[in-house]
Formats: sequence, C-alpha cells, structure tokens
Amino acid sequence: EAGVAQSPRYKIIEKRQSVAFWCNPISGHATLYWYQQILGQGPKLLIQFQNNGVVDDSQLPKDRFSAERLKGVDSTLKIQPAKLEDSAVYLCASTGPPPPGPNPRETQYFGPGTRLLVL
Amino acid sequence: RKEVEQDPGPFNVPEGATVAFNCTYSNSASQSFFWYRQDCRKEPKLLMSVYSSGNEDGRFTAQLNRASQYISLLIRDSKLSDSATYLCVVKGSGGGADGLTFGKGTHLIIQP
Repeated sequence: EAGVAQSPRYKIIEKRQSVAFWCNPISGHATLYWYQQILGQGPKLLIQFQNNGVVDDSQLPKDRFSAERLKGVDSTLKIQPAKLEDSAVYLCASTGPPPPGPNPRETQYFGPGTRLLVL
Repeated sequence: RKEVEQDPGPFNVPEGATVAFNCTYSNSASQSFFWYRQDCRKEPKLLMSVYSSGNEDGRFTAQLNRASQYISLLIRDSKLSDSATYLCVVKGSGGGADGLTFGKGTHLIIQP
C-alpha cells in the first residue's frame, strides 16, 4: 500500500515570500491532517479535514496560513507571507476507518514531511 | 500547564538495559493514548496504542493511569535500534475533531 506522499521535500524561501505544500493521502482515507513540527518540539495540529470539509482549524494562523482539500483527496497548505518562525517541518497525515477488533484504534499515517527554511 | 508533558532527556542507556518513560496529560476528557516513535529527520510512526488495562508488544509495555492522567512506556532488553525520540500522544476529547496532541518527545540513546 502506498503511503502518504508530500512535496516538495525541502524548500528554502525568504521572509515575506509565499510557499505551498502538497499532500496526497493514502487511497481511501477520508481524514487528512496538517501538522507543524518545529525543531525540538512535537508535531502541532494545524488543520483537520474530513473529506473536503474542515473539522478543526483552531490552531491554524489564519492571517497567513490557508489550506484546502477541494475534491476530498489531495490537499495544499499555503503560507503567505512567510515569517522566520515558520521554519519547520510540515507533516501531512491521513486516517482510514478503524480496524476490526475489540479495541479499534485508527492509526494516523504520516508522510515524510516538507522541511521549510525561511531566511 | 502544557497539554502533554514529557522529560525531553536525553536518556543514555546501555544496550540490554530496561528503560522507562513517563508522560502526563492535562485534558481529563482525552479518549485515546499512543506512543509514537520518531527517528532523526523522519516522520513519526505509531509504536503502540495505550489501553487502560495496560498492554504489551514484545519488549515494549505501555500503561495508562486515568486517575493520575499519566502514561508510561517500558522498554526491556534495549537494542541499539531503539535509539530514537519517543512521542507521547493524546487524542482529542471527541466531537469529531480528533487530531493528535503530541508531547515534545523523549530522546533515547542506546549505547553499545
């Protein structure tokens, strides 16, 4: 089974520039997440989609960050304009239906991430 | 108070030793608990879920204490390949929004 795909893998931009990241979740996974992981920290949820609808974007800095999942499959995350503190790894994850069994726990599968450096 | 707190370490442990990590969480309504493993410059991967009754997977044992809002991970007979960052993870309190809340991670170094 193919995993979560992300591109680009690396991006270097100057502050105030714009940048976009792309994510293709595992086939059939309805739920998609974007996380930001700053060096030395755990990942922090930015936004959660269920199909093409937003479930939770409470931690997304909406003045500069935006995300969409128009057809309920691929997703893009955009930063405009970027700040120095946006330097981080941006991780995309997806979840499918919970597996069978007495203690079903759906697993979030993470993509390799996009490493962003803002200079 | 941070939502999920962990000792960042690093923990330097000789090969073959037993090591334990702890984690506390602040949201008493949290429903699900996990340990994820993250290798350097890689994405997090699920190590194991944590159940109220405690659960074991090979050399790894996880425990949950809901009353104390405390999660633990025990690694027995540690291997060099266990060197990684271990992330304590709590899943939301329901209502459809179920993004994961991660601790900062505990860095483990297994020494030969």
